[in-house]
Amino acid sequence: DIVMTQTPLSLSVTPGQPASISCKSSQSLLHSDGKTYLYWYLQKPGQSPQLLIYEVSSRFSGVPDRFSGSGSGTDFTLKISRVEAEDVGVYYCMQGIHPYTFGQGTKLEIK
Amino acid sequence: EVQLVQSGAEVKKPGESLKISCKGSGYSFTSYWIGWVRQMPGKGLEWMGIIYPGDSDTRYSPSFQGQVTISADKSISTAYLQWSSLKASDTAMYYCVRDPSDDGYCDYWGQGTLVTVSS
Repeated sequence: DIVMTQTPLSLSVTPGQPASISCKSSQSLLHSDGKTYLYWYLQKPGQSPQLLIYEVSSRFSGVPDRFSGSGSGTDFTLKISRVEAEDVGVYYCMQGIHPYTFGQGTKLEIK
Repeated sequence: EVQLVQSGAEVKKPGESLKISCKGSGYSFTSYWIGWVRQMPGKGLEWMGIIYPGDSDTRYSPSFQGQVTISADKSISTAYLQWSSLKASDTAMYYCVRDPSDDGYCDYWGQGTLVTVSS
């Protein structure tokens, strides 16, 4: 199975400041079809997870443009340009090559 | 409106069987994969497996192969996750998800079903 490693595991950010989460995979996520199946999900407190970013850098419908994804191969990053109070929760990266696997999660708190 | 509505919370004893459900609506149920994700108390997300209701093609994560059964009844737009003999370690929240292309793009999530296994 592909192992997904996120850093840091927790983050405390002042509103309006940027935040960044790293996700590394144990093997390349570049598929033979040319796509890279790397996703970012956010689980807000008490809620089901929700899709934020798909295929490394595409924002899902309705996701604010302060969220951005980047990376290739085995190294990926989620950035929030200006953190808002509603961004609190646990962020997970996930790879989409069977069997799918998630990172451990990064808990974002507001200072 | 696309919705995945899961069955309610369950409290079971070790050794008992259980089948939880996920009903899809607002889209063509047979044309989208449905996956299951486990979240143990205070822990992260774990992918369990996925089914294509159109032809019941099913894929399991090795960690869950043989431990659970995923099925679907397309006539009632419902997917299932079942256990034949529950263990205390099955205590968790279980989410169903819609995955249009079987590539991890989980665009809709159910509200979750909490399963508690305790003697």
